Amino acid sequence: DAKTTQPPSMDCAEGRAANLPCNHSTISGNEYVYWYRQIHSQGPQYIIHGLKNNETNEMASLIITEDRKSSTLILPHATLRDTAVYYCIVRVYNQGGKLIFGQGTELSVKP
Amino acid sequence: EPEVTQTPSHQVTQMGQEVILRCVPISNHLYFYWYRQILGQKVEFLVSFYNNEISEKSEIFDDQFSVERPDGSNFTLKIRSTKLEDSAMYFCASSEEAGKTTNEKLFFGSGTQLSVL
Repeated sequence: DAKTTQPPSMDCAEGRAANLPCNHSTISGNEYVYWYRQIHSQGPQYIIHGLKNNETNEMASLIITEDRKSSTLILPHATLRDTAVYYCIVRVYNQGGKLIFGQGTELSVKP
Repeated sequence: EPEVTQTPSHQVTQMGQEVILRCVPISNHLYFYWYRQILGQKVEFLVSFYNNEISEKSEIFDDQFSVERPDGSNFTLKIRSTKLEDSAMYFCASSEEAGKTTNEKLFFGSGTQLSVL
């Protein structure tokens, strides 16, 4: 699975959009981009995933560049409850396969 | 929304003792996992389980560890002789509803904090 690079930490003002970047320059054509988050040592929580098209769900939007070498997770209106560690994971879709977590980005949403 | 349930939330044990961590995965899921997270470190994969056998395991998952699905609902992690370095948060996860493709969404439990003294 391709390696990802994320900034170790970011701040965001409450109510503003949080834009979390992820670099995955060695991504292969059949690898998906997944985002999970972990709120204060709780179990990781799925947010969103995509292959090459931009995706949106009730939690967030995922923007993948045309060359697929980087992506951005967007939380449109961050709240204090969005303070968490956000993990960008790149992997081939493999039913039942494991997820490998990196260090992630620690997002602090401030009032 | 269905959820993965883990018990106990906290477990304290003496070094050398056996512990069993329990998990109830989401009822119609097919794949089950254990992860651990040592304080301040990243979440680490231990083992995945499918069709009543281990499908993949990491280097961490040595002979001291075992997993079992003793009935249709529970999934357990046993550590035979605990060491100080086994102190960590242990997360259970499950994925893939039977008959559906859910694109690898893993659902995690809230964890069991294991403290080995």
